[in-house]
Amino acid sequence: QVQLQQSGPELVKSAQTLSLTCAISGDSVSSNSAAWTWIRQSPSRGLEWLGRTYYRSKWYNDYAVSVKGRITINPDTSKNQFSLQLNSVTPEDTAVYYCARQGYSYGHNWFDPWGQGTLVTVSS
Amino acid sequence: DIQMTQSPSSLSASVGDRVTFTCRASQSISNYLNWYQQKPGKAPNLLIYAASSLQSGVPSRFSGSGSGTDFTLTISSLQPEDFATYYCQQSYSTPITFGQGTRLEIK
Repeated sequence: QVQLQQSGPELVKSAQTLSLTCAISGDSVSSNSAAWTWIRQSPSRGLEWLGRTYYRSKWYNDYAVSVKGRITINPDTSKNQFSLQLNSVTPEDTAVYYCARQGYSYGHNWFDPWGQGTLVTVSS
Repeated sequence: DIQMTQSPSSLSASVGDRVTFTCRASQSISNYLNWYQQKPGKAPNLLIYAASSLQSGVPSRFSGSGSGTDFTLTISSLQPEDFATYYCQQSYSTPITFGQGTRLEIK
């Protein structure tokens, strides 16, 4: 059974960097049949996919246009985890941040499981 | 980006009722559609993938249908634990997008 455990600060100051980590158990960050994703949720934006990292003979990343240029998602194979860094945050980045496993089967994909969520507040 | 629109935004129903949620995509997504249930303070939980496949462990009172642009999630007989918010999500193309959710409330 795959489980994801998030960690990281819940309060970040404007213009600084938001950093979160998602530890994986029951699967490998280097899996060829999964992608490791960050999603956030806020009242104003709803559920918003931020980006993912995945391994298919080499590492790939995809990012949402809304945060491109500010976001980095990195795998850490030594600790079997992946991280989110979001630079130059503003109060609009205040949200609950989730990590999730994007599983693939027969051409379809979905998010399961999810981490427990971290409410990150950006103070001005 | 593919826009996902859910209706209604909220719904009141009673235990034992049959309820249906609707999700519409801004372009055809074949059957690349997933449904999630979210309870307050918790992460979303996968119910249905590929429009109509029931995730392991999800009760059989949940079912999904549709293809192209129009999709439905049906709960055949509401149970007390089903009162939550339901989201659709397209997995057809990146960026992956979600609907705004339908909140199911107790009548």
